Amino acid sequence: DAGVIQSPRHEVTEMGQEVTLRCKPISGHDYLFWYRQTMMRGLELLIYFNNNVPIDDSGMPEDRFSAKMPNASFSTLKIQPSEPRDSAVYFCASSLAGSPIGGNTIYFGEGSWLTVV
Amino acid sequence: QQQVKQSPQSLIVQKGGIPIINCAYENTAFDYFPWYQQFPGKGPALLIAIRPDVSEKKEGRFTISFNKSAKQFSLHIMDSQPGDSATYFCAASNSGGSNYKLTFGKGTLLTVNP
Repeated sequence: DAGVIQSPRHEVTEMGQEVTLRCKPISGHDYLFWYRQTMMRGLELLIYFNNNVPIDDSGMPEDRFSAKMPNASFSTLKIQPSEPRDSAVYFCASSLAGSPIGGNTIYFGEGSWLTVV
Repeated sequence: QQQVKQSPQSLIVQKGGIPIINCAYENTAFDYFPWYQQFPGKGPALLIAIRPDVSEKKEGRFTISFNKSAKQFSLHIMDSQPGDSATYFCAASNSGGSNYKLTFGKGTLLTVNP
């Protein structure tokens, strides 16, 4: 399997612009997670889906952030309008089941490096 | 109460040394404690994990020690190699209930010098 695929790998955008990050989970995985990584706050869970349905979005920082999963093989994280403080690495991850108990490992993509200037 | 505190922030050892990374948690409901390894430009990857019903788990050169009463756990890397140079994250989660989240420590940048 190709693993979790994210695009774009790098994006530089101007403040106020819309940013859309994309993710293709591992085939057959029914949980999808979006994480954000910064030096200050480390890895934070933003939102996760089960069978394409958002389960917990309490980590989404503001209304400027939205995420969708229209089907089992695709998810987007959108920031509109973007701000410099949104600069971070955004990781998508997927797993066969939500709980890692029993060996259901969470697999991370390589991340989308976002810089908002 | 969801916090996981990790130390040190960075660590430098010589090849063959035994780096030790420590984590402490507050939420007694946590019952799963994984360690992730992240190389530059890559996403985190699961390295090893432990449940609180055991005090130690070993996989190859990597060992987790767990102290339930102290709410602490640590990662030991035996015979460390330059290829082990990476950022290591501890994490914790509560497998009970319907809401699943991994809470991560801030990470430790490990450098193993040849």
